[in-house]
Amino acid sequence: GNSVTQMEGPVTLSEEAFLTINCTYTATGYPSLFWYVQYPGEGLQLLLKATKADDKGSNKGFEATYRKETTSFHLEKGSVQVSDSAVYFCALSDRGTDKLIFGTGTRLQVFP
Amino acid sequence: EPEVTQTPSHQVTQMGQEVILRCVPISNHLYFYWYRQILGQKVEFLVSFYNNEISEKSEIFDDQFSVERPDGSNFTLKIRSTKLEDSAMYFCASKGGLPPTNYGYTFGSGTRLTVV
Repeated sequence: GNSVTQMEGPVTLSEEAFLTINCTYTATGYPSLFWYVQYPGEGLQLLLKATKADDKGSNKGFEATYRKETTSFHLEKGSVQVSDSAVYFCALSDRGTDKLIFGTGTRLQVFP
Repeated sequence: EPEVTQTPSHQVTQMGQEVILRCVPISNHLYFYWYRQILGQKVEFLVSFYNNEISEKSEIFDDQFSVERPDGSNFTLKIRSTKLEDSAMYFCASKGGLPPTNYGYTFGSGTRLTVV
């Protein structure tokens, strides 16, 4: 079945460091891919998405590229801030279905 | 910005008791969902609801679970007889657009259910 695998956290970085959170997926067909973020005490918020191979999703300085050949959708940011501290979830959905399949989430902690 | 509101934020219940988790979706949304995350595990789809009926449910969503939209604003998840393994964070979500516009989800901040 379809699944998403994320790197385990926590990821601990200093402010302005480069961030990568790895995400790989297993799916039949051509899923859409997402990154969601959960800030403390808040709900899951869509951070970015990509709906086909080679698409790059971007938002708030974060980027992820849909790589079909490596079945990956790694999240990157060139310079993290303390305010980026949150839990990041990679997710996919198959075409024509209404549900999201999530990874376990990766906690990011950024220190000044 | 419109929000999905979940109450309570944390609920503790005894094993075997019934529990109702409440959600107020965004007012003009038509599609409603429950997901859950057991500590340290993946966020899992439980059920989707549209036009006053379940449109899809997972294997987890057995006869112990039910959903209802009793008054046009609330969307509830009931667990009839809670088990220890029901302890998890439960997320409600709503969406306005037709499937498969899954990027239109708005999630609530979750209810942490602890069964003792």
